[in-house]
Amino acid sequence: KAGVTQTPRYLIKTRGQQVTLSCSPISGHRSVSWYQQTPGQGLQFLFEYFSETQRNKGNFPGRFSGRQFSNSRSEMNVSTLELGDSALYLCASSLAAVGEKLFFGSGTQLSVL
Amino acid sequence: AQSVTQPDIHITVSEGASLELRCNYSYGATPYLFWYVQSPGQGLQLLLKYFSGDTLVQGIKGFEAEFKRSQSSFNLRKPSVHWSDAAEYFCAVINNAGNMLTFGGGTRLMVKP
Repeated sequence: KAGVTQTPRYLIKTRGQQVTLSCSPISGHRSVSWYQQTPGQGLQFLFEYFSETQRNKGNFPGRFSGRQFSNSRSEMNVSTLELGDSALYLCASSLAAVGEKLFFGSGTQLSVL
Repeated sequence: AQSVTQPDIHITVSEGASLELRCNYSYGATPYLFWYVQSPGQGLQLLLKYFSGDTLVQGIKGFEAEFKRSQSSFNLRKPSVHWSDAAEYFCAVINNAGNMLTFGGGTRLMVKP
């Protein structure tokens, strides 16, 4: 069974640009969540989708958005990139609706210059 | 609001020695607790989870953790550390309204030969 797949693996952007990251969950998983990991702030929750609906949202500005498609694949978008958005973005999928273990992808390393 | 504290940022142990990584949580209800491990540049791998029942849970790679409600702790242990255990370890608690994980700051484990 394939794991959680995130593309691309690495991205380099410049300030002011926008970026879209993709996540394909494990087959059958309907919950997809996104996390930002930085050396200074650690792992922080961005948002979670379940059956195409955003269920939870972390404390990030509106420049960070996401969506989930009917096949459970998810994308997150960051507009007007700032230097501080440089981070490893991790996607996780889960089988159940609530409180189930999460399986993580390898992440997308975003560098903003 | 839920929170997780990992008091030790770095720990160094000798190969073959025992290991205990500390984790304290704050959560209003019965917590769902996890330990994840992350190798450099990689995603997170689930080591073990506690949802209910037996307070001593066994995980992969010879790890175990003990849930102590009176101390709000969920410490990770391993009787004999291997060099391949060098990585960063994260304790996390999940909310009961979805699959939102709150992570501790992580403990970086180094293993001396």
